[in-house]
Amino acid sequence: KNQVEQSPQSLIILEGKNCTLQCNYTVSPFSNLRWYKQDTGRGPVSLTIMTFSENTKSNGRYTATLDADTKQSSLHITASQLSDSASYICVVSARVRNYGGSQGNLIFGKGTKLSVKP
Amino acid sequence: NAGVTQTPKFQVLKTGQSMTLQCAQDMNHNSMYWYRQDPGMGLRLIYYSASEGTTDKGEVPNGYNVSRLNKREFSLRLESAAPSQTSVYFCASARDRMQGNTIYFGEGSWLTVV
Repeated sequence: KNQVEQSPQSLIILEGKNCTLQCNYTVSPFSNLRWYKQDTGRGPVSLTIMTFSENTKSNGRYTATLDADTKQSSLHITASQLSDSASYICVVSARVRNYGGSQGNLIFGKGTKLSVKP
Repeated sequence: NAGVTQTPKFQVLKTGQSMTLQCAQDMNHNSMYWYRQDPGMGLRLIYYSASEGTTDKGEVPNGYNVSRLNKREFSLRLESAAPSQTSVYFCASARDRMQGNTIYFGEGSWLTVV
């Protein structure tokens, strides 16, 4: 069964510190992996998308890594800010012909809730 | 720069009532989606529309219907609401159905069925 597992469930860090969020998946065949940020009461916002051939991608203070061999990804946040407090969702796309034509089947993780304290 | 706009933001329904969630995007996207988000679970796809004039069932379509009114608008209808449909609903859109395209989400609609 295609699954996306994220850890930890929640995390509290002090402002200015770094942190790393983990994502393990069993999705096959793999197409791409995305990280989204979801502020409380808002919709998810895309941070990065990585394909099989990419093993790192940065977006400002956010750096995502992908190891397609071990089926693991991480999201590293550098010099955290109060505005980084949010849920971070890992989403893996399976290269299957579900849900219409070539559209990959997106499997969403449950998210990691990050709280950055002053 | 509105992106994906959903209405209403909040709604309380009685069991058995019907309602329609409206969604519009201004990015000229071909593909549109409806998801639901429940506590302790990842987002789940209800229905999607790969392009204007087409709709397809997702993972959890029971109890819902959709209409792709035109390229901009994609509505979700609950014909007879049930408490199990209490959830946060997100509309989303993407340029097209090709894998790897960024999916843009609306701000969500909080629905409570009592």
